[in-house]
This record gives sequence, structure tokens and C-alpha cells, in this order.
Amino acid sequence: AQSVTQPDIHITVSEGASLELRCNYSYGATPYLFWYVQSPGQGLQLLLKYFSGDTLVQGIKGFEAEFKRSQSSFNLRKPSVHWSDAAEYFCAVGGDAGKSTFGDGTTLTVKP
Amino acid sequence: NAGVTQTPKFRVLKTGQSMTLLCAQDMNHEYMYWYRQDPGMGLRLIHYSVGEGTTAKGEVPDGYNVSRLKKQNFLLGLESAAPSQTSVYFCASSTATGDYGYTFGSGTRLTVV
Repeated sequence: AQSVTQPDIHITVSEGASLELRCNYSYGATPYLFWYVQSPGQGLQLLLKYFSGDTLVQGIKGFEAEFKRSQSSFNLRKPSVHWSDAAEYFCAVGGDAGKSTFGDGTTLTVKP
Repeated sequence: NAGVTQTPKFRVLKTGQSMTLLCAQDMNHEYMYWYRQDPGMGLRLIHYSVGEGTTAKGEVPDGYNVSRLKKQNFLLGLESAAPSQTSVYFCASSTATGDYGYTFGSGTRLTVV
């Protein structure tokens, strides 16, 4: 069965600092991997996705993620965090029938 | 550019009451999903549909029923609401290949008292 682990429940970074959110997955075949962002009271928005090709993928809002098969990881990064990036971030792995399994989420707080 | 629309946005039910949550998408997506989100538990799949007239159970289907009579609509029903069904419900849709990720609705916050 597919699964996703986000080891960090809550991360705090200073505005302008770099960010890395961790994601580890378990899936039998080549995975479809996604990162979503959820602002308070809102639905989830797709940040970026990976399903083949270049292991470094670029997304919206200046985010990028790197797929590392050997480590079963798909970590999300941003070089310089803005206050508006404060939100909850979800990693997901896609399986058959397009069903995605989500991690429990990481809440990002940005200090001024 | 409506995308995925969920109604209602908020609802309070008494234990034992029934209700239907409506999800409508205008992107001609084949696949549709209902998830529930609870604090610290991420999103859990309730039911899903891979096309008009088809539905299937997800991870937590008990207490819920669904129907997809039209391609653009996916209904989630609670026949006899219980306090354990207090949650935020999200509908999502995707293309048939699923590799483009989901488009989510803005959610329905349901409280069962």
C-alpha cells in the first residue's frame, strides 16, 4: 500500500531564510508525487508535481522539489521565504485510479 | 474559471439527521473524489469515481454514500449523521490519468452535534 510521511509537524523560519520541507513515500512502482499548499480556511492548491524525467521540478510561487528514488524522498524547497508562504503543506503520492494518499501535513510559520 | 464548486460551505447537523454535499466541476474531468480532513490526520479518501455512473469505496467509506449520475457532479450523502463525522469535507477532480494532480473545492465544514 502507498503511504506518505511528513516528519515535521510544524516548522518556523524567518522571512528571507531558506526552507526545506521533508517528505518520504512508499510506493511499489514509479510514483506520481505532488506538493499542495493550504491556506487557512481554503482548499488545497497544487504547487508542483513529479511523474518522470528531470528529478528537480519547478512549481508555482518559487517552490521546487527534488525526487530522490534511492531515499524515497520528495523534499520541497524555497530559497527565500515570504510571509505569505505561511500555510500548511501536504505531500501526496498518486496511485491507481488517480487516488492520492496524503501525508499529515507540515505547518509553516514565518517570523518577521 | 469556477473549477470545483462545493455546496454548502458550512452546515450544522443534529445527530441522526441526513444531508447531501454537492460537488460540481466544469473541467470535464473523468475522476472525482471525496476526502475528509481532520486535525493532524491529513486527508483521508471516503469515496471516489472514475466516470459517470461509477463509484468506489476509499479508505473511510462507512456512514457515507455517493452518486455520480452526471459527469460534472459528485454527491456525498450522510444518511444518519454522527458526531464522528464532524470534519471538513473536500471534493477534488482530476484527469483520467491522474498525473496532473487534483483540483480541489474550497471545502464544506460540517459539525454534527
